[in-house]
Formats: sequence, C-alpha cells, structure tokens
Amino acid sequence: DGGITQSPKYLFRKEGQNVTLSCEQNLNHDAMYWYRQDPGQGLRLIYYSQIVNDFQKGDIAEGYSVSREKKESFPLTVTSAQKNPTAFYLCASRIGTLQPYGYTFGSGTRLTVV
Amino acid sequence: RKEVEQDPGPFNVPEGATVAFNCTYSNSASQSFFWYRQDCRKEPKLLMSVYSSGNEDGRFTAQLNRASQYISLLIRDSKLSDSATYLCVVNAGSQGNLIFGKGTKLSVKP
Repeated sequence: DGGITQSPKYLFRKEGQNVTLSCEQNLNHDAMYWYRQDPGQGLRLIYYSQIVNDFQKGDIAEGYSVSREKKESFPLTVTSAQKNPTAFYLCASRIGTLQPYGYTFGSGTRLTVV
Repeated sequence: RKEVEQDPGPFNVPEGATVAFNCTYSNSASQSFFWYRQDCRKEPKLLMSVYSSGNEDGRFTAQLNRASQYISLLIRDSKLSDSATYLCVVNAGSQGNLIFGKGTKLSVKP
C-alpha cells in the first residue's frame, strides 16, 4: 500500500537535546511538508520541499532543520533552539505543487519535552 | 483578516440533523479548495475537494462562492461517526501551499 510513514509515533526529548523525526513516502510525490499542531490550534507550516535537494522555510522554521536527499524521505530535526517543541508533528506530501490536489498526511509524531 | 477563517464551534447536534460549516478565505488568487476531517489525536484526512459548480458525495455537499470568498460544507442525516473536527483548506495562490483553518469540532449525539 502506498502512503506516508512517520516514526516514531511518540517521542520524548530532554531539555537541550536534538531529535529527528522520520518521514518516508512511497507515493512518488514531489512535494513534502512538515506541520506542527498545538492543542486547539490549526496546522502551522514549518518547512516544505518541492523537489529533491531543495527546501524552503515555512511560517515557523526557527529551531527546526530539514534535509531532502531522496525523493522518498524528508526528516525533520527539532533542535535545542526550539524552546517549546511539545506538539503533534505531521508530515504530508502532494503529487505536485501547482496541481489542485490535496495533501496526504502521515499519522504523526507526538513530541514531548521531559 | 486571517487567511482562512471558520466557525469556532463546537457544534453539538443530534443524530439525523443537518449541519453546515462555513469558511471564508482572504486570498482572491486561491484556486484549490478542500474540506478535511480530523479525528481526535489523528492526522487530517481529505474529505472532499470543492469545485466551482458545487459538488456532492453522499450525505456531504460542498459549495464555493468565489465572489464572496466563501466555502461551505453541508452534512445531511448526521451519524455518530461524523463526530470529528472539520478543517477548511485553501491553497495560497501560486506557491500552491495549502493553508488550513483552525477547524470546527462536531459532536453528534445519540
């Protein structure tokens, strides 16, 4: 089955620690996205990538970093510079960037600072 | 004006009721419109795209008014399983990135 796999499902981070969230898709989609969702809030865009080896900052990129070395993979690193990282992180992909298609989401990673 | 605004909700309705969700968007260049459904602690899932002429999928009807920059979703004969948060989604012009509303929570009661 084609889809997006995010791992881990739950992640606990200590203060000052960097952690990396995995996102893999086998849909052959060009564009991939990372969103953050806080309770009672909408989805906020962290980073996105329209093509391999290229990515752009979204609305809340500070404290985060990404890479896109392969079409299938778009990992997100939450660095120690992100002061309030506890949230639900969602990865999404889309078949193209200008087509009228919606996003497909992974099942998300819940990150908690302990 | 926020980019995508929705009724704050929550909506609490009995089974069998008809419920309408409204949404307005600020970017007149937007070309793609969607409704997503998000269950508690789950990822959003595409419910339906919204086309200019309006479209229907079973009990769900979506409408678009470009002049008013307004989108709606109507659910008829609501079921317990319709309980979820409904997200209005609009693309941000030429970049194509999708902008998500905060969502409206629906609770359907027996």
